[in-house]
Amino acid sequence: QQPVQSPQAVILREGEDAVINCSSSKALYSVHWYRQKHGEAPVFLMILLKGGEQKGHDKISASFNEKKQQSSLYLTASQLSYSGTYFCGSLHLLAGNNRKLIWGLGTSLAVNP
Amino acid sequence: EAEVAQSPRYKITEKSQAVAFWCDPISGHATLYWYRQILGQGPELLVQFQDESVVDDSQLPKDRFSAERLKGVDSTLKIQPAELGDSAMYLCASSDPSRVSTEAFFGQGTRLTVV
Repeated sequence: QQPVQSPQAVILREGEDAVINCSSSKALYSVHWYRQKHGEAPVFLMILLKGGEQKGHDKISASFNEKKQQSSLYLTASQLSYSGTYFCGSLHLLAGNNRKLIWGLGTSLAVNP
Repeated sequence: EAEVAQSPRYKITEKSQAVAFWCDPISGHATLYWYRQILGQGPELLVQFQDESVVDDSQLPKDRFSAERLKGVDSTLKIQPAELGDSAMYLCASSDPSRVSTEAFFGQGTRLTVV
């Protein structure tokens, strides 16, 4: 059930672009993206609720292909502050209308000057 | 700005001792999560509460771990006895299930070291 993220690690120079993929063997109800800086708690980036949805904030955007059961996070013109580990989470429905978020293993992103 | 409060931030304990962590979620958030995160890995859900009820504790090692949220507000996670392999970051998060986005807000975590 755990979503698979790729690549495991990325090293960029400031200003370069990157794509992080998240795929699941099971149908995705929704996909969450978080970023965690070293020694800090994860911080929410965005959620995609339905197939075909795309979202963006500043130069970070994401898409959700429900049919392919995958999501991609796009980082454009990367900044030093983008460094961290990026996690995708797939939301699964539990009994009683409860929901459970299952996390991928993360993609480590380092942006160098 | 409202935030999830956790204490302590750091805890060093000896093997076989008992240890407890406390979490106070954002006011009004009915859903509370306890995660364990080992260095270099993603968070692993230990237990999820909806108000005072446990909705998922399938990954909680129940022989040594317990969690409660008696009044549906703050929560305590306990480990007894602690083992060396329990060394990790313990994260608490909360969310408002009435919102479609179900964004989870995390506390700063408790870094546990078992020696």
